[in-house]
Amino acid sequence: DTEVTQTPKHLVMGMTNKKSLKCEQHMGHRAMYWYKQKAKKPPELMFVYSYEKLSINESVPSRFSPECPNSSLLNLHLHALQPEDSALYLCASSLHLLTGAFYGYTFGSGTRLTVV
Amino acid sequence: AQTVTQSQPEMSVQEAETVTLSCTYDTSESDYYLFWYKQPPSRQMILVIRQEAYKQQNATENRFSVNFQKAAKSFSLKISDSQLGDAAMYFCAYRGLNTDKLIFGTGTRLQVFP
Repeated sequence: DTEVTQTPKHLVMGMTNKKSLKCEQHMGHRAMYWYKQKAKKPPELMFVYSYEKLSINESVPSRFSPECPNSSLLNLHLHALQPEDSALYLCASSLHLLTGAFYGYTFGSGTRLTVV
Repeated sequence: AQTVTQSQPEMSVQEAETVTLSCTYDTSESDYYLFWYKQPPSRQMILVIRQEAYKQQNATENRFSVNFQKAAKSFSLKISDSQLGDAAMYFCAYRGLNTDKLIFGTGTRLQVFP
């Protein structure tokens, strides 16, 4: 299995809702990432998990809450979002940097989030 | 801090022709990785090619090749025999050896005409 699977593919939520995005990989990668991408812009890093521990938080607002329950699964919990949070949310994974050579990220196809 | 610059917001090429996408970067590190990613309308970021800075030989993957000029901090992507399926947004990206962070350029949208 050489894929990163993200669910759902599309999500519409109100500003008072609570929802979660899910990301799964079975490649044995021990680093997992959340990126946010606005239209016609490059992805922006949000969070990095290394060996199931949060290693980087790029000053993301607390209404975004990441969780890594195990080495294959990464969640992003959403609560009280704003319309400006509407974007494509991409998950990625990679071999951990401590394993040596880095072969790049494997990205999922993203969740298109619309906040109304 | 490292930066990646793609100076061509849009490029176009005729099918079967060759096109080159430009990328420059700024870093004080001596060893690092460089990547080209492709993002078609399907949204998934797909790794096109990867270059390790300590390797002087330019990376090649089928119709895709790079011109890596370390001293000039330049990393251009050449697409030969362009196909309609090559139409996408292309991002150049940088990663240091001791960081988990991938730094992206602003992207170049490539159109391929029949």
